[in-house]
Amino acid sequence: EAGVAQSPRYKIIEKRQSVAFWCNPISGHATLYWYQQILGQGPKLLIQFQNNGVVDDSQLPKDRFSAERLKGVDSTLKIQPAKLEDSAVYLCASSQLGTPNYGYTFGSGTRLTVV
Amino acid sequence: SQELEQSPQSLIVQEGKNLTINCTSSKTLYGLYWYKQKYGEGLIFLMMLQKGGEEKSHEKITAKLDEKKQQSSLHITASQPSHAGIYLCGADKGGGATNKLIFGTGTLLAVQP
Repeated sequence: EAGVAQSPRYKIIEKRQSVAFWCNPISGHATLYWYQQILGQGPKLLIQFQNNGVVDDSQLPKDRFSAERLKGVDSTLKIQPAKLEDSAVYLCASSQLGTPNYGYTFGSGTRLTVV
Repeated sequence: SQELEQSPQSLIVQEGKNLTINCTSSKTLYGLYWYKQKYGEGLIFLMMLQKGGEEKSHEKITAKLDEKKQQSSLHITASQPSHAGIYLCGADKGGGATNKLIFGTGTLLAVQP
Protein backbone atom coordinates (compact mmCIF):
# COMPACT_ATOMS: atom_id res chain seq x y z
CA GLU A 1 0.00 0.00 0.00
CA ALA A 2 1.08 3.58 -0.57
CA GLY A 3 2.58 5.34 2.44
CA VAL A 4 1.80 8.72 3.98
CA ALA A 5 2.65 11.43 1.44
CA GLN A 6 3.91 14.84 2.49
CA SER A 7 4.93 17.89 0.52
CA PRO A 8 7.04 19.84 0.16
CA ARG A 9 10.12 18.02 1.46
CA TYR A 10 12.00 21.21 2.19
CA LYS A 11 10.98 24.83 2.60
CA ILE A 12 12.98 27.93 3.41
CA ILE A 13 11.10 31.13 4.23
CA GLU A 14 11.79 34.43 5.89
CA LYS A 15 10.30 35.23 9.28
CA ARG A 16 6.82 36.74 9.16
CA GLN A 17 6.05 34.92 5.89
CA SER A 18 3.38 32.25 5.57
CA VAL A 19 3.84 28.59 4.73
CA ALA A 20 1.60 25.57 4.21
CA PHE A 21 2.30 21.86 4.37
CA TRP A 22 0.23 19.10 2.83
CA CYS A 23 -0.35 15.52 3.95
CA ASN A 24 -2.18 12.63 2.30
CA PRO A 25 -2.62 9.71 4.73
CA ILE A 26 -2.89 6.03 3.97
CA SER A 27 -6.20 5.27 2.30
CA GLY A 28 -8.84 4.37 4.85
CA HIS A 29 -6.96 5.69 7.87
CA ALA A 30 -9.40 7.73 9.92
CA THR A 31 -6.89 9.33 12.26
CA LEU A 32 -4.30 11.87 11.14
CA TYR A 33 -1.61 13.50 13.26
CA TRP A 34 0.72 16.47 12.77
CA TYR A 35 3.91 16.54 14.80
CA GLN A 36 6.60 19.20 15.16
CA GLN A 37 10.16 18.00 15.73
CA ILE A 38 12.72 20.60 16.67
CA LEU A 39 16.36 19.64 16.16
CA GLY A 40 17.60 17.50 19.03
CA GLN A 41 14.14 16.78 20.43
CA GLY A 42 11.48 14.12 20.04
CA PRO A 43 8.37 14.84 17.96
CA LYS A 44 5.67 16.86 19.68
CA LEU A 45 2.02 16.35 18.75
CA LEU A 46 0.44 19.52 17.37
CA ILE A 47 -2.99 18.30 16.31
CA GLN A 48 -4.94 15.07 15.90
CA PHE A 49 -7.91 14.57 13.58
CA GLN A 50 -10.46 11.76 13.64
CA ASN A 51 -11.99 11.85 10.15
CA ASN A 52 -12.55 15.61 9.66
CA GLY A 53 -12.97 16.47 13.35
CA VAL A 54 -10.29 17.71 15.73
CA VAL A 55 -9.62 15.31 18.64
CA ASP A 56 -6.68 17.10 20.27
CA ASP A 57 -5.13 20.47 19.44
CA SER A 58 -3.99 21.35 22.94
CA GLN A 59 -0.37 21.94 21.86
CA LEU A 60 -1.12 23.84 18.66
CA PRO A 61 -0.06 27.52 18.88
CA LYS A 62 -3.38 28.76 17.60
CA ASP A 63 -2.30 32.37 17.21
CA ARG A 64 -0.17 31.38 14.24
CA PHE A 65 -0.81 27.74 13.39
CA SER A 66 -3.92 26.33 11.77
CA ALA A 67 -4.81 22.96 10.33
CA GLU A 68 -7.73 21.49 8.47
CA ARG A 69 -8.92 18.17 7.13
CA LEU A 70 -12.06 19.18 5.31
CA LYS A 71 -13.06 15.94 3.60
CA GLY A 72 -11.58 13.60 6.18
CA VAL A 73 -8.77 12.61 3.85
CA ASP A 74 -5.83 14.90 3.18
CA SER A 75 -4.81 17.71 5.49
CA THR A 76 -2.97 21.01 5.43
CA LEU A 77 -1.02 22.69 8.21
CA LYS A 78 -0.40 26.42 7.93
CA ILE A 79 1.87 28.81 9.77
CA GLN A 80 1.13 32.53 9.53
CA PRO A 81 3.29 34.43 10.32
CA ALA A 82 6.34 32.22 10.81
CA LYS A 83 8.90 32.81 13.55
CA LEU A 84 12.51 31.68 13.75
CA GLU A 85 11.59 29.12 16.42
CA ASP A 86 9.22 27.39 13.98
CA SER A 87 12.25 25.91 12.20
CA ALA A 88 11.68 22.18 12.55
CA VAL A 89 10.66 19.02 10.76
CA TYR A 90 6.90 18.69 10.46
CA LEU A 91 5.77 15.09 10.44
CA CYS A 92 2.40 13.75 9.41
CA ALA A 93 1.20 10.33 10.53
CA SER A 94 -1.96 8.31 10.16
CA SER A 95 -3.52 5.34 11.89
CA GLN A 96 -6.67 3.27 11.77
CA LEU A 97 -8.39 2.11 14.93
CA GLY A 98 -8.64 -1.63 14.88
CA THR A 99 -5.44 -2.11 12.94
CA PRO A 100 -3.11 -4.37 14.93
CA ASN A 101 -1.00 -2.17 17.18
CA TYR A 102 -2.88 0.82 15.74
CA GLY A 103 -0.41 0.85 12.84
CA TYR A 104 0.97 4.36 13.09
CA THR A 105 2.63 5.26 9.78
CA PHE A 106 4.73 8.36 9.31
CA GLY A 107 5.47 10.42 6.23
CA SER A 108 8.96 11.58 5.25
CA GLY A 109 8.39 14.98 6.82
CA THR A 110 8.79 18.57 5.71
CA ARG A 111 11.93 20.34 6.88
CA LEU A 112 11.15 24.01 7.47
CA THR A 113 13.87 26.61 7.88
CA VAL A 114 12.86 30.12 8.91
CA VAL A 115 15.54 32.75 8.34
CA SER B 1 1.19 13.86 32.18
CA GLN B 2 3.21 10.89 31.07
CA GLU B 3 6.79 11.60 30.11
CA LEU B 4 9.30 9.40 28.40
CA GLU B 5 12.95 9.79 29.26
CA GLN B 6 15.62 8.28 27.01
CA SER B 7 19.22 7.63 27.89
CA PRO B 8 21.81 8.27 26.79
CA GLN B 9 21.07 11.43 24.80
CA SER B 10 23.86 10.59 22.41
CA LEU B 11 26.22 7.71 21.86
CA ILE B 12 29.35 7.12 19.79
CA VAL B 13 30.49 3.53 19.37
CA GLN B 14 33.08 1.71 17.32
CA GLU B 15 31.76 -0.51 14.57
CA GLY B 16 31.22 -4.02 15.87
CA LYS B 17 30.46 -2.97 19.44
CA ASN B 18 27.21 -3.66 21.25
CA LEU B 19 25.08 -0.88 22.69
CA THR B 20 21.90 -0.32 24.69
CA ILE B 21 19.42 2.57 24.71
CA ASN B 22 16.91 2.93 27.51
CA CYS B 23 13.44 4.43 27.63
CA THR B 24 11.78 5.06 31.00
CA SER B 25 8.21 6.08 31.67
CA SER B 26 6.65 7.68 34.73
CA LYS B 27 3.50 5.62 34.11
CA THR B 28 2.62 2.11 33.00
CA LEU B 29 3.22 1.59 29.31
CA TYR B 30 0.39 -0.01 27.33
CA GLY B 31 2.10 0.17 23.98
CA LEU B 32 5.77 1.00 23.52
CA TYR B 33 7.18 1.72 20.07
CA TRP B 34 10.72 2.04 18.83
CA TYR B 35 11.49 4.10 15.73
CA LYS B 36 14.65 5.00 13.86
CA GLN B 37 15.10 8.32 12.10
CA LYS B 38 17.71 9.65 9.76
CA TYR B 39 18.45 13.33 10.32
CA GLY B 40 15.60 15.52 9.11
CA GLU B 41 13.58 12.62 7.72
CA GLY B 42 10.56 10.53 8.65
CA LEU B 43 10.33 7.76 11.22
CA ILE B 44 10.97 4.13 10.41
CA PHE B 45 9.06 1.66 12.58
CA LEU B 46 11.28 -0.90 14.31
CA MET B 47 9.21 -2.74 16.91
CA MET B 48 6.20 -2.50 19.20
CA LEU B 49 5.93 -4.07 22.65
CA GLN B 50 2.82 -4.48 24.75
CA LYS B 51 3.22 -7.24 27.30
CA GLY B 52 5.36 -7.15 30.43
CA GLY B 53 8.54 -9.12 29.85
CA GLU B 54 8.03 -9.11 26.09
CA GLU B 55 11.07 -9.23 23.86
CA LYS B 56 11.28 -8.84 20.09
CA SER B 57 14.16 -9.00 17.66
CA HIS B 58 14.72 -7.82 14.13
CA GLU B 59 18.07 -8.56 12.53
CA LYS B 60 20.61 -7.33 15.09
CA ILE B 61 18.21 -5.18 17.10
CA THR B 62 16.42 -6.50 20.19
CA ALA B 63 13.87 -4.60 22.25
CA LYS B 64 12.52 -5.56 25.66
CA LEU B 65 9.74 -4.28 27.89
CA ASP B 66 10.27 -4.90 31.59
CA GLU B 67 7.79 -6.82 33.75
CA LYS B 68 6.46 -3.67 35.36
CA LYS B 69 5.94 -2.11 31.93
CA GLN B 70 7.67 1.13 32.80
CA GLN B 71 10.98 0.69 31.08
CA SER B 72 12.12 -0.54 27.70
CA SER B 73 15.57 -1.14 26.31
CA LEU B 74 16.83 -1.36 22.75
CA HIS B 75 19.97 -3.40 22.22
CA ILE B 76 22.06 -3.45 19.06
CA THR B 77 24.53 -6.27 18.61
CA ALA B 78 27.69 -5.80 16.53
CA SER B 79 26.82 -2.28 15.43
CA GLN B 80 27.34 -1.17 11.84
CA PRO B 81 27.48 2.28 10.23
CA SER B 82 23.98 1.60 8.87
CA HIS B 83 22.68 1.65 12.45
CA ALA B 84 23.59 5.32 12.84
CA GLY B 85 20.69 7.69 13.34
CA ILE B 86 18.22 8.89 15.93
CA TYR B 87 16.35 6.30 17.97
CA LEU B 88 13.01 7.32 19.41
CA CYS B 89 10.74 5.52 21.82
CA GLY B 90 7.05 6.31 21.71
CA ALA B 91 4.14 5.36 23.94
CA ASP B 92 0.42 5.06 23.35
CA LYS B 93 -1.57 7.68 25.21
CA GLY B 94 -5.30 8.08 25.47
CA GLY B 95 -7.34 5.23 24.15
CA GLY B 96 -9.81 4.33 21.48
CA ALA B 97 -10.42 7.12 19.01
CA THR B 98 -8.24 9.53 20.99
CA ASN B 99 -5.20 7.28 20.96
CA LYS B 100 -1.96 9.03 20.06
CA LEU B 101 1.79 8.56 20.29
CA ILE B 102 3.95 10.60 22.62
CA PHE B 103 7.69 10.48 22.19
CA GLY B 104 10.83 10.42 24.25
CA THR B 105 13.67 12.86 23.79
CA GLY B 106 15.58 10.66 21.35
CA THR B 107 19.05 9.11 21.31
CA LEU B 108 21.56 10.08 18.63
CA LEU B 109 23.77 7.15 17.66
CA ALA B 110 26.99 7.48 15.69
CA VAL B 111 28.95 4.40 14.62
CA GLN B 112 32.59 4.90 13.77
CA PRO B 113 34.02 2.58 11.09
